[in-house]
Amino acid sequence: SSGLTQDPAVSVALGQTVRITCQGDSLRSYYVSWYQQKPGQAPVLVIYGKNNRPSGIPDRLSGSSSGNTASLTITGAQAEDEADYYCNSRDSSGKHWGVEFGGGTKLTVL
Amino acid sequence: QVQMVESGGGVVQPGRSLRLSCAASGFTFSSYGMHWVRQAPGKGLEWVAVVWYDGSKKYHADSVKDRFTISRDNSKNTLYLQMNSLRVEDTAVYYCARELEHSSSWYLGYWGQGTLVTVSS
Repeated sequence: SSGLTQDPAVSVALGQTVRITCQGDSLRSYYVSWYQQKPGQAPVLVIYGKNNRPSGIPDRLSGSSSGNTASLTITGAQAEDEADYYCNSRDSSGKHWGVEFGGGTKLTVL
Repeated sequence: QVQMVESGGGVVQPGRSLRLSCAASGFTFSSYGMHWVRQAPGKGLEWVAVVWYDGSKKYHADSVKDRFTISRDNSKNTLYLQMNSLRVEDTAVYYCARELEHSSSWYLGYWGQGTLVTVSS
């Protein structure tokens, strides 16, 4: 089982704000990155590090972190934000270097 | 532009082997760490393996350790995943992914479209 925990599903009304969370012990030591995946498509990096967006990612997506919890916030959700969202980080539990993903959160925009 | 194209997927029987390739273009391949990430049908993402930009270090997930081997040929701009002793539970879409910046490690900024591996008798 994944060391990063996400809520399986979250919904938000069009234009409202939603927060997707990711919890895990490794987050006390390492930053997360967040990925958006739409059906039939490869994941897309949307947030990395403290709160950085790759070029082309709208600024309504933002990241934050406190203790063992990282959050992806979408301010003013749009229909095109409906997707699965995954967090990942360095896996601090094993003997060797590794990466872990959260189980994913399915975001529905109502 | 950055592009990665996976190949080598298909249907294979349990216990057999398969080698995946990921042909990269549009960037200096030898400057970036590369990963394999898989996704079983209807399931989430699972990290499989990473190889450092110069091939000096390789790490694999426990679920594939001693069965899968990641490698790269910087002269051919190609990433590989040798998969041996395949199991039904290895059935997944396999993505290659590039770290966003040199040594950014788990920030996977670029992904291929994936290749489907089906392990079935």
